[in-house]
Amino acid sequence: DVVLTQTPVSLLISLGGQASISCRSSQSLVHSNGNTYLHWYLQKPGQSPQLLIYQVSNRFSGIPDRFSGSGSGTDFTLKISRVEPEDLGVYYCLQRTHNPWTFGGGTKLELK
Amino acid sequence: QVQLQQSGAELVKPGSSVKISCKASGYTFTSYDMHWIKQQPGNGLEWIGWIYPGNGNTKYNQKFNGKATLTADKSSSTAYMQLSSLTSEDSAVYFCARSINYRDPFDYWGQGVMVTVSS
Repeated sequence: DVVLTQTPVSLLISLGGQASISCRSSQSLVHSNGNTYLHWYLQKPGQSPQLLIYQVSNRFSGIPDRFSGSGSGTDFTLKISRVEPEDLGVYYCLQRTHNPWTFGGGTKLELK
Repeated sequence: QVQLQQSGAELVKPGSSVKISCKASGYTFTSYDMHWIKQQPGNGLEWIGWIYPGNGNTKYNQKFNGKATLTADKSSSTAYMQLSSLTSEDSAVYFCARSINYRDPFDYWGQGVMVTVSS
């Protein structure tokens, strides 16, 4: 199975600051069709995960442009600029290139 | 609006089975895959498997073969997951989530069901 390693495990950020989360894959996530099926989620306390970014860099409906995704191959990054209180929670990456689909271990974003 | 409404929390005995549900509304149930995901307390997320309600086709993470059985009822737009031979390792929150295509993200999720296995 593909292992997704997220770093850091936790992140202390001031309101208005910038956060950067890495997701590194044990295998290339480029599918034979040329697409890369790496997605990002935020799970707020007591809630189910919500989709932020799909296929590396596309924001889901209603997601503000403070969230951006980038990367290729095995290395991916989620950046959150101008952090707001509602951004706090655990961030996960998910790969759907190789079956079984797997999630990263999560990165907890907390306020400094 | 898209909603996935899951059934309530379950307290079940070791060795027994449990069936949890996920009722879909706000979209065409038979046009989207329905996935199930496990989250143990303090742990990350594990994909269990998916069902395509349009024809009942299923695919499982090999790890959950024999543990989880996915079904769907088109008449009520409800997906089900049965977990069998329960042990403490099955105590977790279980989410349903939909996706439009084979590799697309899970775009909407249910609120989750807490299953506790205890004697």
